[in-house]
Amino acid sequence: SQELEQSPQSLIVQEGKNLTINCTSSKTLYGLYWYKQKYGEGLIFLMMLQKGGEEKSHEKITAKLDEKKQQSSLHITASQPSHAGIYLCGADRGGSQGNLIFGKGTKLSVKP
Amino acid sequence: DAGVIQSPRHEVTEMGQEVTLRCKPISGHNSLFWYRQTMMRGLELLIYFNNNVPIDDSGMPEDRFSAKMPNASFSTLKIQPSEPRDSAVYFCASHLTGTGSPLHFGNGTRLTVT
Repeated sequence: SQELEQSPQSLIVQEGKNLTINCTSSKTLYGLYWYKQKYGEGLIFLMMLQKGGEEKSHEKITAKLDEKKQQSSLHITASQPSHAGIYLCGADRGGSQGNLIFGKGTKLSVKP
Repeated sequence: DAGVIQSPRHEVTEMGQEVTLRCKPISGHNSLFWYRQTMMRGLELLIYFNNNVPIDDSGMPEDRFSAKMPNASFSTLKIQPSEPRDSAVYFCASHLTGTGSPLHFGNGTRLTVT
């Protein structure tokens, strides 16, 4: 069965610093989703990637999917306290859109 | 758009009691998913429905768990009898199939079984 491995598990950065979170799949990714979760709340959709080599940006967050479609990265530029939370990558299970498996998440703390 | 609405937000119950979690998906969405989140196992899919029909319930841990979707705007997840190891945050998510749109999650129900 497909598994998603996220690294690092947790990350503490100083405000203003850049950071990268990685998501590696054991199988080819058909759809890769990035979500953010704050404690006690649901998951907020950030971005979706489908094509090898695809890159998307929203404000200071950029997500990329590698050419082989087995690894994705999420990069935050000039981090702010508002970026703190848990970032989860999700993937379409067996090509079935919407039926997602998730990595265990990366907990990001940003020190002011 | 009110988003996916779950109730209750928190539930504390004693072992052996019946627990019912509720979900109202986004209007017009035709797929509904129930997930469970724990520190140890992360987010796990329990069951999902398409057009009110259960499609995959292989993630439901035991017969103590059951889910229904009597109509397009309401779903329940029931645990009977509840056990301490069921303590987790349960999320409901909805989706419109065939559009390339992402899953939209509710804020979850935090269940504590003592």
